[in-house]
Amino acid sequence: DTGVSQDPRHKITKRGQNVTFRCDPISEHNRLYWYRQTLGQGPEFLTYFQNEAQLEKSRLLSDRFSAERPKGSFSTLEIQRTEQGDSAMYLCASSFDRGAGGDNEQFFGPGTRLTVL
Amino acid sequence: DAKTTQPPSMDCAEGRAANLPCNHSTISGNEYVYWYRQIHSQGPQYIIHGLKNNETNEMASLIITEDRKSSTLILPHATLRDTAVYYCIVRAPNAGNMLTFGGGTRLMVKP
Repeated sequence: DTGVSQDPRHKITKRGQNVTFRCDPISEHNRLYWYRQTLGQGPEFLTYFQNEAQLEKSRLLSDRFSAERPKGSFSTLEIQRTEQGDSAMYLCASSFDRGAGGDNEQFFGPGTRLTVL
Repeated sequence: DAKTTQPPSMDCAEGRAANLPCNHSTISGNEYVYWYRQIHSQGPQYIIHGLKNNETNEMASLIITEDRKSSTLILPHATLRDTAVYYCIVRAPNAGNMLTFGGGTRLMVKP
């Protein structure tokens, strides 16, 4: 399978602990996105990368959140000092930017479900 | 990106066509209409997108009105596996960044 993969699929942690999630995009995709989805809601954008550069961050991405994509391939999303309100599904998506305008659909991974106790 | 309005839920009989409407009356001339769906406990899945012409692929058809203020996603022969939340999203080309998901339509395909 050459789709977007995420690891782990499920994470249970205690409040105050740090957690890190990994996303492996489709190999030729140069854009990578992180979203968060709480129960009953649509996904909400957190941040995105063009290659290794983080180009946009949502206001939802507090100082406790940090994302990296060091070599322009896989990405990690770290949450420090987790809070119960961080419990959600964290989704990663990737796309290929053709660079000359036009549309580019995003392909999503299965998500990491985080539960903060 | 323009805002979209979708009914919160719909039912469809298995084997029949499912027609999912979306209103996007504030759409701009260069904005595309995208459709994604999300099956329970999975990530969203791209279905189809279009600008002003009707589009068809192996999954669905997209009908966009002439004034582009609304569209309909058609699943020609719905199956139980099509039960999902369907999101209509309006987005400028090469916006580069986020998809803005609304509440979507929860489609229930019934036997």
